[in-house]
Amino acid sequence: AQRVTQPEKLLSVFKGAPVELKCNYSYSGSPELFWYVQYSRQRLQLLLRHISRESIKGFTADLNKGETSFHLKKPFAQEEDSAMYYCALAEGSNYKLTFGKGTLLTVNP
Amino acid sequence: GAVVSQHPSRVICKSGTSVKIECRSLDFQATTMFWYRQFPKKSLMLMATSNEGSKATYEQGVEKDKFLINHASLTLSTLTVTSAHPEDSSFYICSAARAGRGHEQYFGPGTRLTVT
Repeated sequence: AQRVTQPEKLLSVFKGAPVELKCNYSYSGSPELFWYVQYSRQRLQLLLRHISRESIKGFTADLNKGETSFHLKKPFAQEEDSAMYYCALAEGSNYKLTFGKGTLLTVNP
Repeated sequence: GAVVSQHPSRVICKSGTSVKIECRSLDFQATTMFWYRQFPKKSLMLMATSNEGSKATYEQGVEKDKFLINHASLTLSTLTVTSAHPEDSSFYICSAARAGRGHEQYFGPGTRLTVT
């Protein structure tokens, strides 16, 4: 069975500080991983996917198969980054996603 | 592009009645749609996977006779909560997988169901 673990429920940083949201997974196959973000009173939206290897809103995430991790990083956090972040793992051909429990990021002024 | 809508956004119903929630992909065809339930301050719980023209696949522990899912077209899926009880009160979210975009899902804004 696959599983996604986000060890931090809450993460608080100051504006301009680096931020890292942790995500670890367990999956027997070749993983496809995503980060989704939910800003206050908004719908869940895709932030980035590992196969794209892109940077969105200054965020990057690298898949580390050895450590089975997909941590989300940003060198300088902004107040508008405050949101709920979910790591998700895709399963097989039916497009199911397994979500972690989420990390609430608060960026303080 | 890739917008998913849900209707209604909020509904209050009496215990024992049924309520239907619609999920539409507005500008793309969805090969697969998903229904989730989100509890306060908790993650999304996948309830079922819905493919157009076939029966939905329910996750373990989700009562298929209580949560009826119909996927009538490539742009519409409905979730009907039958004989609702107060414990069914929750935030229900749908998402749609876009053809050719692999596992990427686009989420609706959610429907807040309150059963009194």
